[in-house]
Amino acid sequence: GEDVEQSLFLSVREGDSSVINCTYTDSSSTYLYWYKQEPGAGLQLLTYIFSNMDMKQDQRLTVLLNKKDKHLSLRIADTQTGDSAIYFCAHNPPSGTYKYIFGTGTRLKVLA
Amino acid sequence: DADVTQTPRNRITKTGKRIMLECSQTKGHDRMYWYRQDPGLGLRLIYYSFDVKDINKGEISDGYSVSRQAQAKFSLSLESAIPNQTALYFCATSEEGSTDTQYFGPGTRLTVL
Repeated sequence: GEDVEQSLFLSVREGDSSVINCTYTDSSSTYLYWYKQEPGAGLQLLTYIFSNMDMKQDQRLTVLLNKKDKHLSLRIADTQTGDSAIYFCAHNPPSGTYKYIFGTGTRLKVLA
Repeated sequence: DADVTQTPRNRITKTGKRIMLECSQTKGHDRMYWYRQDPGLGLRLIYYSFDVKDINKGEISDGYSVSRQAQAKFSLSLESAIPNQTALYFCATSEEGSTDTQYFGPGTRLTVL
């Protein structure tokens, strides 16, 4: 299977941490990504993690990868109203295939 | 300037009309893709091209065709538009190797009446 699943909505208060979760079925990909889509815009790469890593930190963003459970998460510290967007989890094509696999996206709403 | 551009950004058309969506990139990438986005369905791949002479169908190619005019240009056509093709369309590029990251255009919102 090649599914990537995410919850559809998340609401947090400004200043709190946000955690967006993703589960996937195909574990043969090399890279997993988090993309951000703001209203009226395309997807922008936020961060990525190599499949042999457990964690990656980039300023307010922390990515955790649990390969055993096929679980990827994105933590945004000190969430701001500008973080309101749709966040997509994705992985690159497994070996021998061409298709990137995207989740359905999680809409994050940050309340002031 | 944006690395991946799409024209038009918005289009309203009628059932049965032929529509072309254009994509240009300045990233120098060989690989280009067309996706459509529908609420709750994420991104679905329509066509992809790994170089100028290579065109491949994605998961939902029926009703669509593409043309790779040059390394930098990849156009998507709807031969005879129908209402269920109303969606947001994205072009993307990627480069083999490195982090395999895809880079997206800003999207074209297409409405078929």
